[in-house]
Formats: sequence, C-alpha cells, structure tokens
Amino acid sequence: GDSVTQMEGPVTLSEEAFLTINCTYTATGYPSLFWYVQYPGEGLQLLLKATKADDKGSNKGFEATYRKETTSFHLEKGSVQVSDSAVYFCALSRAGGGNKLTFGTGTQLKVEL
Amino acid sequence: GAGVSQSPRYKVAKRGQDVALRCDPISGHVSLFWYQQALGQGPEFLTYFQNEAQLDKSGLPSDRFFAERPEGSVSTLKIQRTQQEDSAVYLCASSLAESYNEQFFGPGTRLTVL
Repeated sequence: GDSVTQMEGPVTLSEEAFLTINCTYTATGYPSLFWYVQYPGEGLQLLLKATKADDKGSNKGFEATYRKETTSFHLEKGSVQVSDSAVYFCALSRAGGGNKLTFGTGTQLKVEL
Repeated sequence: GAGVSQSPRYKVAKRGQDVALRCDPISGHVSLFWYQQALGQGPEFLTYFQNEAQLDKSGLPSDRFFAERPEGSVSTLKIQRTQQEDSAVYLCASSLAESYNEQFFGPGTRLTVL
C-alpha cells in the first residue's frame, strides 16, 4: 500500500538557518504530493503541493520538488523564522481513490532566536 | 468565507459510551473525509463521501465506527461502545470535487476515553 516516510523530529534551528525536512514515498502510479503544516493550536493547512514529476511547489518561502526517480519530496526553506515553528506533514494522494491523503508521521520544527 | 467546522472540540467519554462527532464542511464542497490522528502521529484515513454516498470506508477500524452524510452536507462520525484505543483527534476535511485534490481541514475533535 501507499506510505510516506519523513524524518523524525524535533528539528531545532536558529533563526535564519537553512531548513530541510526529508520525505520519501511509496505508491503505485503517479501520486500528487503535499506538505501540510500544523501551527500550535491550529488545524492542518496546506503549505504547498506538486502534482507531477519535476514540479516544484512553493509558498511562504518554502519549496519542494517532486522527484520521481528518488521518490522524494523534500521540504526546504532558505531562512527560517521563529513563526515557522510548527509540525510539518508530508502526504500523498492518488486519483481514483477519492484523493484520500496518506500522511507521514510529522516533523516538529522549533526555531529559536 | 467560513471554513470547515467541527463540534464538539473536546469530548470526554467513559469506556462503553457512544459518541457522535459532527462536521460542517465548506458550503458547496462535494467531497468529505474523516481522519483519525493519534498523539504524535500523522492523520490516518477513515472514510470518504462524495455528496451523500459513502464511497470508501476502508479505514474504519472496526464495526463500532459508523459515518453518515445523509443530505450531502453535514456529516456525523459515530463511535459505539468507545474503547481507550479510540482516544485521538478526529479530523474532518472537505474538497470542492473529487477531481480537485486540495483538502481543507477542520480544527478537529479531541476524544478522550477514560
């Protein structure tokens, strides 16, 4: 079945540091890939997505590129801020199954001054 | 506009009690999903509706779990004879259409079974 593996946290960085959160997936066919973010006390929000190989999703300074050859969708940001502290979830969905999401376990990011 | 809303936000139940969790999707959204999120884990799919039709219930963990969406809008997830392992956050999400793959999540209902 489909699965998503992402690096365990927590990840602790200083403000303005470079961020990478690794995500790899297993799925048949050509899934769409997503990063969702959960800020403290809030619901899940879509951060970015990519629907086909080599697509790059970007939002709020975050980027991720759909790499089919390595089945990866790593999240990056060049300079993190304290306000980026949250839990980040990598996820996939496949058409034909109602687009239900399969999530990774989440990576907590803490950004300190 | 209004997002997805869920009620109650918190529910404490004694083992063996029945509970009902409500989801109000974004108006006009055809697809509705329920997920279960255990502490420290990612959400896991439970069930999916397209309008009033329940097209996929493969993620429901047991026959104690039942979901309905009778008029194609509001949905209710019911758990009968709750067990401690049912303690989790239950998330509802809606999507404009099956072909539109962005899902919008509600704040969740945190269920604690004592």
